[in-house]
Amino acid sequence: IAGITQAPTSQILAAGRRMTLRCTQDMRHNAMYWYRQDLGLGLRLIHYSNTAGTTGKGEVPDGYSVSRANTDDFPLTLASAVPSQTSVYFCASSDHPPGGQGGETQYFGPGTRLLVL
Amino acid sequence: KQEVTQIPAALSVPEGENLVLNCSFTDSAIYNLQWFRQDPGKGLTSLLLIQSSQREQTSGRLNASLDKSSGRSTLYIAASQPGDSATYLCAVWSSASKIIFGSGTRLSIRP
Repeated sequence: IAGITQAPTSQILAAGRRMTLRCTQDMRHNAMYWYRQDLGLGLRLIHYSNTAGTTGKGEVPDGYSVSRANTDDFPLTLASAVPSQTSVYFCASSDHPPGGQGGETQYFGPGTRLLVL
Repeated sequence: KQEVTQIPAALSVPEGENLVLNCSFTDSAIYNLQWFRQDPGKGLTSLLLIQSSQREQTSGRLNASLDKSSGRSTLYIAASQPGDSATYLCAVWSSASKIIFGSGTRLSIRP
């Protein structure tokens, strides 16, 4: 069982280019999340999806979009990358979204290191 | 808006000691609180999750407690080992702010 896979592992991107970060989970989890981690700012939620077909905005959604066409995949797209989007991006999943159902433990992927020049 | 604080920012102790990491939050209307560890250059590994209705959770040498009324959680590590060296993060999920992470405690266990 792979858990959560993210691709690419790292990327150097020219400002203004479009980029999609891929995230796939094989645990059949309902909820998925995208975070960015920056020195001095910690981990921040970008977007989330409580179940296939639905998405929501987190703390820092501007400049990013997501889709959840099926249970397993949750791609994150930067439509026109800017240097401030240089970061480490983590995808995570949980069996259920927070709210008291249980199964709320989040499992993280290995991350994608993105440098926007 | 929810704020999550972790103290201390860094901690170094000799092997074998018991230790406590602290996490405080400002909004007590939470769904859950989760403790993670992160090794350098790696993703996060979940350690314990405490639901809003629970007071504590235990896994092996780890025990996490939650006091919503005072906005505090502690992670107790018994008989620390060099392999416990990592950054420990707490994260609080609330309906208003979604998930907010603390800045972490960097733990070093000296052999």
